[in-house]
Amino acid sequence: DSGVTQTPKHLITATGQRVTLRCSPRSGDLSVYWYQQSLDQGLQFLIHYYNGEERAKGNILERFSAQQFPDLHSELNLSSLELGDSALYFCATGQNPYEQYFGPGTRLTVT
Amino acid sequence: KNEVEQSPQNLTAQEGEFITINCSYSVGISALHWLQQHPGGGIVSLFMLSSGKKKHGRLIATINIQEKHSSLHITASHPRDSAVYICAVIINNNNDMRFGAGTRLTVKP
Repeated sequence: DSGVTQTPKHLITATGQRVTLRCSPRSGDLSVYWYQQSLDQGLQFLIHYYNGEERAKGNILERFSAQQFPDLHSELNLSSLELGDSALYFCATGQNPYEQYFGPGTRLTVT
Repeated sequence: KNEVEQSPQNLTAQEGEFITINCSYSVGISALHWLQQHPGGGIVSLFMLSSGKKKHGRLIATINIQEKHSSLHITASHPRDSAVYICAVIINNNNDMRFGAGTRLTVKP
């Protein structure tokens, strides 16, 4: 158990909907990364926040956005969902930008 | 061509064997991670390297920055080492990340 929590564990929703995934870091962790893992594309980096500020953006679609709040938890918002957005979404947190303690992931199924 | 290439894609070993998984990358990096993903889906970062060599138990990771290559070694492999091992690099001009496709390791008793 890394100490990083993600909610919900599973989410089933319909195309066109909007969902919010939550990541709660370990105590003291300032850095949070979001990743998408789909069957056909493997792991992809979405976005990185450090102490509330966006530090790097990867392959994140315009329909997706993220925030890191003052209490350092983070949320990933996915809107206008498509079938291809079905994937495992992981966050990873750490005290510095190079540490990666992964949460258990949220499995999103878009039907 | 993928910026991060791992080999082999699949590896089957007998318990006790020495295992090597390789990662080559074509971009400038500030750090490299070796990740382990178990069949249940959970991911653990085994090592973060920016130079040299690190060891943790039966696992050893090395990186050669000049040659843009890293290796993960497992000594005295055990069935519980069966997992997918993923190489991930942090690109040094923009902190973007790239991942290898993973190496699926199966260790048979």
